[in-house]
Amino acid sequence: GAVVSQHPSRVICKSGTSVKIECRSLDFQATTMFWYRQFPKQSLMLMATSNEGSKATYEQGVEKDKFLINHASLTLSTLTVTSAHPEDSSFYICSARALDSLFGPQHFGDGTRLSIL
Amino acid sequence: AQKVTQAQTEISVVEKEDVTLDCVYETRDTTYYLFWYKQPPSGELVFLIRRNSFDEQNEISGRYSWNFQKSTSSFNFTITASQVVDSAVYFCALSEQRLYGGTSYGKLTFGQGTILTVHP
Repeated sequence: GAVVSQHPSRVICKSGTSVKIECRSLDFQATTMFWYRQFPKQSLMLMATSNEGSKATYEQGVEKDKFLINHASLTLSTLTVTSAHPEDSSFYICSARALDSLFGPQHFGDGTRLSIL
Repeated sequence: AQKVTQAQTEISVVEKEDVTLDCVYETRDTTYYLFWYKQPPSGELVFLIRRNSFDEQNEISGRYSWNFQKSTSSFNFTITASQVVDSAVYFCALSEQRLYGGTSYGKLTFGQGTILTVHP
């Protein structure tokens, strides 16, 4: 149980392109989803917290107009990297916490490796 | 502010050796949760354990064991008889559990990770 699907797993695109990443909880409902960014050989840095039906909460230093987050349902959150540039190349990982598990663990997707040429 | 420190950047062992990964944390919260996650080369994060701040009992799961000591703010992870498949990056994480309007926040703060390499 507690499977989180993230799609696509890898994206390579030209500078200036907008890229959408989907995060789905497959077998549970998630009120809250989290988006992380990980540079090579570094830790995960929280970008934003996404709550179903409300605006995402962004961490300090994360541009909300650059990284658009939509949490339209209890099983889907999307991250759109708008007008991506090479410095946006990174590994993006989402996680979800079950609706009935306020203090439960976050379950992570497999990540999306984004490469901007 | 919360902080998690994993002082060991890289550890290299030979198969069947025991290995301990250290984790030290800082928080002002009295209620919090500690986690360990494994990240194999493929990149996904695998949940290993969750421990709440009121439960200091050590836990054992197969070859894995965890030692939580509140007095030293440490939550160390030991792998007994390590195997090549244990090679991965291991992250310790801390979660604040403040309630905002009845909804748990649950933000995770990760340590820098420890790269474990187990040689045959």
